[in-house]
This record gives sequence, structure tokens and C-alpha cells, in this order.
Amino acid sequence: DGGITQSPKYLFRKEGQNVTLSCEQNLNHDAMYWYRQDPGQGLRLIYYSQIVNDFQKGDIAEGYSVSREKKESFPLTVTSAQKNPTAFYLCASSPTPIRVGNTEAFFGQGTRLTVV
Amino acid sequence: RKEVEQDPGPFNVPEGATVAFNCTYSNSASQSFFWYRQDCRKEPKLLMSVYSSGNEDGRFTAQLNRASQYISLLIRDSKLSDSATYLCVPERRAGSYQLTFGKGTKLSVIP
Repeated sequence: DGGITQSPKYLFRKEGQNVTLSCEQNLNHDAMYWYRQDPGQGLRLIYYSQIVNDFQKGDIAEGYSVSREKKESFPLTVTSAQKNPTAFYLCASSPTPIRVGNTEAFFGQGTRLTVV
Repeated sequence: RKEVEQDPGPFNVPEGATVAFNCTYSNSASQSFFWYRQDCRKEPKLLMSVYSSGNEDGRFTAQLNRASQYISLLIRDSKLSDSATYLCVPERRAGSYQLTFGKGTKLSVIP
């Protein structure tokens, strides 16, 4: 079955530690995204990547880092520089459009990160 | 003006009611849009795509008003299972892969 997988589902981190969230897709999608969602809030874009070895900052990239060494994988590292990391993190992928627009995003099930 | 704006609600409606909510967008060049549904503590899932003036799928109707730059989602005969947050997403801007979601409108259908 094709899909997008995030792991782990729940993650606890001690303050001051870096932690990496995994995102893998087997949909052959070029574009991948990381969003953060806080309780009762919308999705805010952290980073996105449209092709291997390339990625762009979103609206709230500070304190986060990503890599895109393989088409299938787009891991997100939450660094100790992120002051308020407790949130729900969603990874998404999307195919390359033939023309701009008209392509939906497919989401993983999310990782709920809690700093303790 | 924000790229996407939605009334956060909550919209509390009785079962069987018809409810509609809007999403305004700033990019007048946008041609297509998506409505996503997000259940509590779950990932968003695609509900409906809107490519022209509108789209209808069973009890759900999406309409696009280009002159006023908003899209609406109408739900007829509301079910308890329709309770969720509904997110609006315009297509990506030319030359960009960035996807910007609205904050969503929360709907609660009450027995």
C-alpha cells in the first residue's frame, strides 16, 4: 500500500535535547512538507522540499532543521534552539503538478512531541 | 491580508441542519482549491477539490466566488460524524511549492 509514514507516533524529549522525527513516503512524490500544529491552532509550515537535496524554510523554521538525501525521506530535527517544541508535527507529500496547482497533499498520521 | 482566512467557529448545529462556512483568499490568480477535514488529534484528509465554479459530492457542496475571492463549503443534512475542523487550501502560487492552510473552521454537530 502506498502512503506516508511518520514515526514515532508519540515522542518525549528532555529539555535541551535534539530529537529527529521520521517521515517516509512511497508515493513517488517530489514535494514534501513539515507542519506544526498547536492545540486549537492551524497548520504552520516549518520546511518544505520540492526535490532531493533541496529544501526551503517555511514560516517558522527557527529551531528546526531538515535534510532530503532521498526522495522517499524527509526527516525533521527539533533542536534545543526551539524554545517551545511541544506540538503535533505533521509531514505531508505532494506530486509535482503538470501545471501549477491542482495537486492535493497527503499526510502522515503525525508525531506528538512533548518536552518534559 | 493573509493568504487564507477562515472563521474559526465553532459552529454548533443540530443534526439534520444545513451549515455553510467561508474561506477568503488573497491571491486573485488562484484557480483551484481544496477542502480538508481534520478530526481531533488526527491528520487532515482531503474532502473535496474545487477546480472551477464549484463541486458537489453528496451532502457537500463547495462554491467558488472569484469576484469576492472566497470559497464556501455547504453541508446539508448534518450528521454527528461531520463534527471536525475543516481546512481550506488554495493551490500553490506559480513557481512555488509552498502549501498554505487556513486555520480551519470547527464544526460540532449536536444530537
